[in-house]
Amino acid sequence: GAGVSQSPRYKVTKRGQDVALRCDPISGHVSLYWYRQALGQGPEFLTYFNYEAQQDKSGLPNDRFSAERPEGSISTLTIQRTEQRDSAMYRCASSLGGHSSYEQYFGPGTRLTVT
Amino acid sequence: AQSVTQPDIHITVSEGASLELRCNYSYGATPYLFWYVQSPGQGLQLLLKYFSGDTLVQGIKGFEAEFKRSQSSFNLRKPSVHWSDAAEYFCAVGGRNAGNMLTFGGGTRLMVKP
Repeated sequence: GAGVSQSPRYKVTKRGQDVALRCDPISGHVSLYWYRQALGQGPEFLTYFNYEAQQDKSGLPNDRFSAERPEGSISTLTIQRTEQRDSAMYRCASSLGGHSSYEQYFGPGTRLTVT
Repeated sequence: AQSVTQPDIHITVSEGASLELRCNYSYGATPYLFWYVQSPGQGLQLLLKYFSGDTLVQGIKGFEAEFKRSQSSFNLRKPSVHWSDAAEYFCAVGGRNAGNMLTFGGGTRLMVKP
C-alpha cells in the first residue's frame, strides 16, 4: 500500500518568507510525527498528533514553528519568517497508535533551503 | 532524558565481509530500540525493532541486532555485506517514559568496497 508522502520534496525560499510543508500519513494511522534532520545528524523530534489532537510540541524550536492536523489525517508544518538556520530535512512519520506507536514509518522528507 | 550514541561515524567494509554497527543508549526504564536505514534520496526504512522478549531480533535484508541491557547496547550485525547495503544507519530509542517520541543517534555511514 501507499506509504507516507510529503510535499514538496524540495523547497527553496528566501529569508523572511513563510513556508508550509505537507504530510499525508499511511491510511488508518492514528499518530503522526514531525522530525527535523540537519545534515550529518539524526532526526530530532518536533511534535506529534494522535488523530487531530497535538499531544506534544516540546520539540518545536520557537513560536515561528507550528503544526496542525485538523481532520486527523493530513498535517501541515508551518514555519513563519524563515531564517537560514531553519534549513534542514523535515521528516514526517506515522504509526498505528497505542503500543504500535513506537513503530514509526517515515516519508521521504522535504528538503528546505532558506537563502 | 534519553540519548543514543553511535560511536562510528563512517565504516568501510569489503563486500562479503561481516558487519557490526555499534549503538549505545541511555534510558531510564525499559527501552524500545530500533534500527533504521537511509539510502540516498530515500526516507528512513525500519530494519528491525526490540520491544521485549528474545534479546536477539531479526530484521529485514538479513540484519539482526542484539539487546544487551548490562552494556546498554543494541548493536546491528550482518554476516555478509552486499554492495546494496551502502547507506546511513540510525539507531533510535523510545519507550513509555518518553511519550511517543523517538530519539535518534547521529548515524553511521556504511561504505562497501568491491
